Amino acid sequence: EVQLLESGGGLVQPGGSLRLSCAASGFTFSSYAMSWVRQTPGKGLEWVSSISGGGDTTYYADSVKGRFTISRDNSKNALYLQLDSLRAEDTAEYYCAKNPLMQASHIYFVCWGQGTLVTVSS
Amino acid sequence: EIVMTQSPATLSVSPGERATLSCRASQNVNSNLAWYQQKPGQAPRLLIYGASTRATGIPARFSGSGSGTDFTLTISSLQSEDFAVYHCQQYNNWPPTFGQGTKVEIK
Repeated sequence: EVQLLESGGGLVQPGGSLRLSCAASGFTFSSYAMSWVRQTPGKGLEWVSSISGGGDTTYYADSVKGRFTISRDNSKNALYLQLDSLRAEDTAEYYCAKNPLMQASHIYFVCWGQGTLVTVSS
Repeated sequence: EIVMTQSPATLSVSPGERATLSCRASQNVNSNLAWYQQKPGQAPRLLIYGASTRATGIPARFSGSGSGTDFTLTISSLQSEDFAVYHCQQYNNWPPTFGQGTKVEIK
């Protein structure tokens, strides 16, 4: 059974940083692209970033480009999202999600973790 | 980016009745469309991909149709566990984008 377990969310001040982690199990982690998707009550679901199975290709939403960094450690079956220069509008539930292919192209989200809440506020 | 518009925002349906949800893309997305179900306090769950292919374990009462810009999710006979929010998502163009969701509530 595929399992994705996020951690690392919390309350942070504007301009601060957080590192989200996602522990994966139940599948061959390195064979699949992975993504982060966030959700707010006002804006709904928003794709944030994706990374190919080998970690060599990454994609970012314009809203986070230059501030967030996606990475993965296939030896640990782990996905990460480094969040820097955080803004109030980054407040959201952040989900990691498994994509259907190794390549991070034409992606939809096959399985989702339970989410981790990031709150940016002073 | 491609804007996905779902209608209606809320759909009131009695158990056992059919529900029809719509999703429209601002540009052609071919058949690169997915549907997700989300219950309160839970993560979304993939229902349909490729506009009409059910994901693993999804009951046959869920069906998807359409291509290009207009898509439909049909739930043939609503069960109590189907009352939820449904999201569509296109993955034909970067960035992948979601609709704002349709809430299916008990009538």
